Amino acid sequence: AQKITQTQPGMFVQEKEAVTLDCTYDTSDPSYGLFWYKQPSSGEMIFLIYQGSYDQQNATEGRYSLNFQKARKSANLVISASQLGDSAMYFCAMREMLSGSARQLTFGSGTQLTVLP
Amino acid sequence: DARVTQTPRHKVTEMGQEVTMRCQPILGHNTVFWYRQTMMQGLELLAYFRNRAPLDDSGMPKDRFSAEMPDATLATLKIQPSEPRDSAVYFCASGLVIGGRMGETQYFGPGTRLLVL
Repeated sequence: AQKITQTQPGMFVQEKEAVTLDCTYDTSDPSYGLFWYKQPSSGEMIFLIYQGSYDQQNATEGRYSLNFQKARKSANLVISASQLGDSAMYFCAMREMLSGSARQLTFGSGTQLTVLP
Repeated sequence: DARVTQTPRHKVTEMGQEVTMRCQPILGHNTVFWYRQTMMQGLELLAYFRNRAPLDDSGMPKDRFSAEMPDATLATLKIQPSEPRDSAVYFCASGLVIGGRMGETQYFGPGTRLLVL
């Protein structure tokens, strides 16, 4: 079974609008971390935001916020006030702290976001 | 501004040739990861080091791939002999484990784009 599912291969958003990128995850581990990375066309992976499974509040980093719904096992990324420079591939990832894969990140297939002028 | 560096950024080689990719982790980080990204497989973990010792290389084809950390400032990933199916982007990432608990994220280098003809 897929551990990380990103159901939106591509998304379009108008500049200055907000956009939500979906991510659902599957784990039986009670302790885990959820991450979002941005990969622009230049290819580098840029860390955006982190949410721990025990964190009570949703994580925020500037224009990025993570809508964490633990019961639904979803960790959607919300980008407010989109900018042209936000056009990139976005990956959701998870690290399970107690299982054998505690050391690595498991990535979703990504969502290609295009911000329209 | 501490960053993970990788060399070369691009490599084109012929099938059968040896390829060596290098990574300099962020100073002070004690964990190093090698990932491979392809269109078909997405991001896959190849190897993981902590304090220069290999902890997990189960994702790596053993017959042709090898990963080492000659010192704390250098990690290498070698392919010998290379094959066309090895064409991918290879990312190095580093992180910090304190007291057995990993910090919140891994920081990625810019990647090495490998093409094997």
